[in-house]
Parts: sequence; structure tokens; C-alpha cells
Amino acid sequence: DTAVSQTPKYLVTQMGNDKSIKCEQNLGHDTMYWYKQDSKKFLKIMFSYNNKELIINETVPNRFSPKSPDKAHLNLHINSLELGDSAVYFCASSQEETYEQYFGPGTRLTVT
Amino acid sequence: GQNIDQPTEMTATEGAIVQINCTYQTSGFNGLFWYQQHAGEAPTFLSYNVLDGLEEKGRFSSFLSRSKGYSYLLLKELQMKDSASYLCAVRPNTNAGKSTFGDGTTLTVKP
Repeated sequence: DTAVSQTPKYLVTQMGNDKSIKCEQNLGHDTMYWYKQDSKKFLKIMFSYNNKELIINETVPNRFSPKSPDKAHLNLHINSLELGDSAVYFCASSQEETYEQYFGPGTRLTVT
Repeated sequence: GQNIDQPTEMTATEGAIVQINCTYQTSGFNGLFWYQQHAGEAPTFLSYNVLDGLEEKGRFSSFLSRSKGYSYLLLKELQMKDSASYLCAVRPNTNAGKSTFGDGTTLTVKP
């Protein structure tokens, strides 16, 4: 069983399009995250959700919006995609008490 | 805010020992994580230090000095598969769950 799963694994799209990346965790964790890892491999947190409430909202463009239908899912919607959005996006989850994060396999987004 | 520094790259020989340092400056500190990330894969958890001292876990050990804002990851008996990026992440004592990652140290193990 995959603990944290993301779909799709690869996403190639054109500038200006709107796309979504889905994330699901079956670990029963309270908190889920979205990270962006750019071509220089720097891992930057974008959002996190704790029990369906947004508790971190880093200074990312408002074209990015997280959506959490329930505790096990945190989807990432991106509007009006730009070339600079090309990166690998990782979903992660953690149990509040330990804070060790479990990462999904990543979604490689390429904007052309 | 938080500032985390690690060397960008390191090279070591198979069978040797390597120490990857991490220094941090933070307005509040609760603990420090180390993650390993192989190329093209997701980060995976290695260790979490809250108290000062050395914690050993097989070939990997992690050390923390809270007063000095310093940690290191020690890898013994290096294997080729240890070639990866090693990320240091600091967990603050506020805003539960939010850990800030360093930019990572790319370790290359050579035969």
C-alpha cells in the first residue's frame, strides 16, 4: 500500500492552462503539505492543512490554491500556468505529534 | 524567521566516513530533521533530534547542539547507494508542523 500518493506523476501543459494535482494519504495523519522543488533542487513549502484548516500559506502566487475535501486528501489547483511554475511538486503528510513527514513520489510539471 | 546553511556538495570514498554539517539561526527551535533524497525520488526521513547529543541509527548518526545552532549527519561505511542529497530541516516551536528545509547537500560516493 502506498502511504502518500500523487497523480499525475508527469504533467506537461501549455502556458495559461489550469491544472490540478491530487494527493491522498492513507496514514491517518492530521497534517498535509505541498512543496515545490525547482531545478536547483531547493525544497520550498507552499501550503499545509491541519484537519481541513489552512495553517500555513507561504507567499506563493494566488494562482495556486489548495483544496482539502477531507483529512486524507489535499489537492493543488494551479490557474493560468506560467513557465516558472515548471518544477517537481511534492505532497507530504505528518502526524502532529511526531512531525516526521512522509512524502509522495512527486509530480513533475512542465509548462511549455 | 529561519536561516539554514549546509554545504552544497561533498564527495567521499566508498567505505569511508563523511560528516555533513548544518547550521541554523531561528527565532524558535523545537527540533531538527535530516532527510535523504535520491535523484528523481521523494525525500525520506532519516532522523529527528530534539535534545543535545548524538543519536545513532545503524550506519547513520545525527548530532545536535542547540546552544550552537549546529547539527551534523554522520555516515559510516559509505556505500555507493548513499550518493544522494541530504536535507536538514528545522522545526520551530510555533506554527506546529511547519519545518523549513535547507537547500541540501549533494553527496557523491566514489569507488
